[in-house]
Amino acid sequence: EAQVTQNPRYLITVTGKKLTVTCSQNMNHEYMSWYRQDPGLGLRQIYYSMNVEVTDKGDVPEGYKVSRKEKRNFPLILESPSPNQTSLYFCASSFIWSPELIYEQYFGPGTRLTVT
Amino acid sequence: TQLLEQSPQFLSIQEGENLTVYCNSSSVFSSLQWYRQEPGEGPVLLVTVVTGGEVKKLKRLTFQFGDARKDSSLHITAAQPGDTGLYLCAGGHTGANNLFFGTGTRLTVIP
Repeated sequence: EAQVTQNPRYLITVTGKKLTVTCSQNMNHEYMSWYRQDPGLGLRQIYYSMNVEVTDKGDVPEGYKVSRKEKRNFPLILESPSPNQTSLYFCASSFIWSPELIYEQYFGPGTRLTVT
Repeated sequence: TQLLEQSPQFLSIQEGENLTVYCNSSSVFSSLQWYRQEPGEGPVLLVTVVTGGEVKKLKRLTFQFGDARKDSSLHITAAQPGDTGLYLCAGGHTGANNLFFGTGTRLTVIP
């Protein structure tokens, strides 16, 4: 079954304690992204990756890091989490239409993070 | 940030009724996608429209892309409780991985 998996699904942590949210896809997609979803603000892109070892900032990258060492995995790292990073996080991988280069996102189930 | 406004924000209707959800922007997009998100899950892609004026149907759901590619609508005929969820529109540009999401319309269909 084609899918995007994330772990953990729920996480409560304290300010400053480094954490990693893992993301893996089995669709052999080159493009992957991380989003956060907040009430009234919708989904906002944090970082994206166009391929292995190629990453770039999205709309709200401050306080986050990513890495892409393998095609299937795209972990999100919070080096020093703060309460304003409490949110619902989604990893997504993209199927690309050719030749229009339209990206369709396939989302993971989400990780609900609470930073106290 | 290219804002996509959805209306209404909340909609509660009886089973069997028809409804329309709107997605509007001042920006032109190359494509417009609609997603449905259920509680505790990630958004699931319903449709992608790419041509101004394009209409696509998915069973009881009809999607239309505006002629100027700045707006879109989703019409549901004879709504069912299984249609309950958060409907999100997202605009994209050719070759760009970033989608600009609307804030969503939360639909509740009452049996």
